[in-house]
Amino acid sequence: KNQVEQSPQSLIILEGKNCTLQCNYTVSPFSNLRWYKQDTGRGPVSLTIMTFSENTKSNGRYTATLDADTKQSSLHITASQLSDSASYICVVSFTGGGNKLTFGTGTQLKVEL
Amino acid sequence: DVKVTQSSRYLVKRTGEKVFLECVQDMDHENMFWYRQDPGLGLRLIYFSYDVKMKEKGDIPEGYSVSREKKERFSLILESASTNQTSMYLCASSFTMGRDYGYTFGSGTRLTVV
Repeated sequence: KNQVEQSPQSLIILEGKNCTLQCNYTVSPFSNLRWYKQDTGRGPVSLTIMTFSENTKSNGRYTATLDADTKQSSLHITASQLSDSASYICVVSFTGGGNKLTFGTGTQLKVEL
Repeated sequence: DVKVTQSSRYLVKRTGEKVFLECVQDMDHENMFWYRQDPGLGLRLIYFSYDVKMKEKGDIPEGYSVSREKKERFSLILESASTNQTSMYLCASSFTMGRDYGYTFGSGTRLTVV
């Protein structure tokens, strides 16, 4: 069964600090991996998307990495801000899936003063 | 600015009522999707559609139906709402595989069934 697991489940950091969120997946055959940010009560918003041939992608203070051999991805947030407080969801697409996605359950990040 | 628009942010319905959730996209996407999101479970696919008048069951279609009469509009129908359908409902749309990988979500509808 295709699965996406994220860790940690939740995280609290101080403003200005960096953090790294992890994603492991068993989806096969793999097509692409996305990271989304979801503010409370809102829909997810795309941060990055990577195909199997890409191993890093940046979007401002967000940098995603992908190791297709070990089926792991990470999302690194630098110089965190209060507005980074949200749920971060790892999403994997598999070929032949009709563009359907497999979602992780998310990491809940809280940035405090 | 491209958009997926869901008709209601918050909705409260009574058990047994017929409920319509509407979703409209302005990106000319072929694919449209309905998900529900519950704490600790992530997003789960209810139904999706890859063309007008076409629909396919997702992972949890029981108790739901859908309608896609026009390319830009995808409706989720709860024939007889039950309390276990209280959830956040998210609509999304995308191009067909092989084109742009863009996958855009609406802002969600928080449905409470009492």
